[in-house]
Amino acid sequence: KNQVEQSPQSLIILEGKNCTLQCNYTVSPFSNLRWYKQDTGRGPVSLTIMTFSENTKSNGRYTATLDADTKQSSLHITASQLSDSASYICVVSRSRGKLIFGQGTELSVKP
Amino acid sequence: EPEVTQTPSHQVTQMGQEVILRCVPISNHLYFYWYRQILGQKVEFLVSFYNNEISEKSEIFDDQFSVERPDGSNFTLKIRSTKLEDSAMYFCASSESAGDYGYTFGSGTRLTVV
Repeated sequence: KNQVEQSPQSLIILEGKNCTLQCNYTVSPFSNLRWYKQDTGRGPVSLTIMTFSENTKSNGRYTATLDADTKQSSLHITASQLSDSASYICVVSRSRGKLIFGQGTELSVKP
Repeated sequence: EPEVTQTPSHQVTQMGQEVILRCVPISNHLYFYWYRQILGQKVEFLVSFYNNEISEKSEIFDDQFSVERPDGSNFTLKIRSTKLEDSAMYFCASSESAGDYGYTFGSGTRLTVV
């Protein structure tokens, strides 16, 4: 079954700290893996996209890794800010553009 | 930056009524999608649309649902007879090609069925 599992379910960190979110997937065929940020009541916004051959991709303070052999990905957030508080969703794309979403990690950054 | 626009942002309807959710995809995009997110749950794929026909649909997308591209700019999702369990956020998305980097989501329409 095509699934995307994320951990932890929720996370609270202090402003300025780093954190790492995890994603495991069992999706086939695999086209690419994306990390999205979703604010409450808003649409998902793309942070990074990685294809099968890419191991790491950065976007500012966000760095994503992908191990296609173990089907695992991580999203590392550096020097967190209050505005980073949101749901972070791991999404795997199959062929023809259908996206399989994870449940998301609810990140709360406290002052 | 180009955006996917969805209207209305919030719609309240009575059970059994028909609703049409509207989306204006990014102008040079060729692939269109609808997703939904029930409160507290993950985003789920409903349907993809290309070249004026459905290319893939999920189990959720039953006979109560239909999609249409009535003109060159709009992409609509119609729910024929709404049920309470249809209450959710509905997201439209578009992309230049299947699965490409230009995949962009709209801000969503919150549908509340009472």
